[in-house]
Amino acid sequence: QKEVEQDPGPLSVPEGAIVSLNCTYSNSAFQYFMWYRQYSRKGPELLMYTYSSGNKEDGRFTAQVDKSSKYISLFIRDSQPSDSATYLCAMSTNAGKSTFGDGTTLTVKP
Amino acid sequence: DGGITQSPKYLFRKEGQNVTLSCEQNLNHDAMYWYRQDPGQGLRLIYYSQIVNDFQKGDIAEGYSVSREKKESFPLTVTSAQKNPTAFYLCASSTSGRATGELFFGEGSRLTVL
Repeated sequence: QKEVEQDPGPLSVPEGAIVSLNCTYSNSAFQYFMWYRQYSRKGPELLMYTYSSGNKEDGRFTAQVDKSSKYISLFIRDSQPSDSATYLCAMSTNAGKSTFGDGTTLTVKP
Repeated sequence: DGGITQSPKYLFRKEGQNVTLSCEQNLNHDAMYWYRQDPGQGLRLIYYSQIVNDFQKGDIAEGYSVSREKKESFPLTVTSAQKNPTAFYLCASSTSGRATGELFFGEGSRLTVL
């Protein structure tokens, strides 16, 4: 069983919709939680980074971590066509090595 | 501008040949990583290096080799021993002392074995 499981998608939504992307994990030692955005044929770029349980907001993006349930989410409000990409969740322990989910491909239709 | 440069962007190789992918960074980061990405899958760690002249195997190191002779450079060699080398290869770096896992990625190298 994988340490990190990500909702597979693909996901297709109309412009302006609220998007929810989700990952679960099994390793209690994970302390750092990241979301990366990857456009087609490009390298991933860090979108959100959180450390503790709770919410972190950055513009239209909100990252949510629930350590008790081992569940993390990324919410995108007022989604735009430019948000169309693959979203990867990633987690790491104090050792610094990241474990990635398989990614969810999102398409936002105008 | 600071960043990570990977080359070549696209590479074709015949079976049985070794090939080396270049990764250079000017972010002054101590740690560097190589990941492999297959279609519909996440990133799998091949090798990583926390300091110059030292590196460790990741989860799928078999058939790959690396060197870290300079802080800025972390080349990856895909050897003929790698059974299924066709993939998208990503190089990344991070600052040392912050074991948080935040990674900065290059644009990737797509290797196709003919």
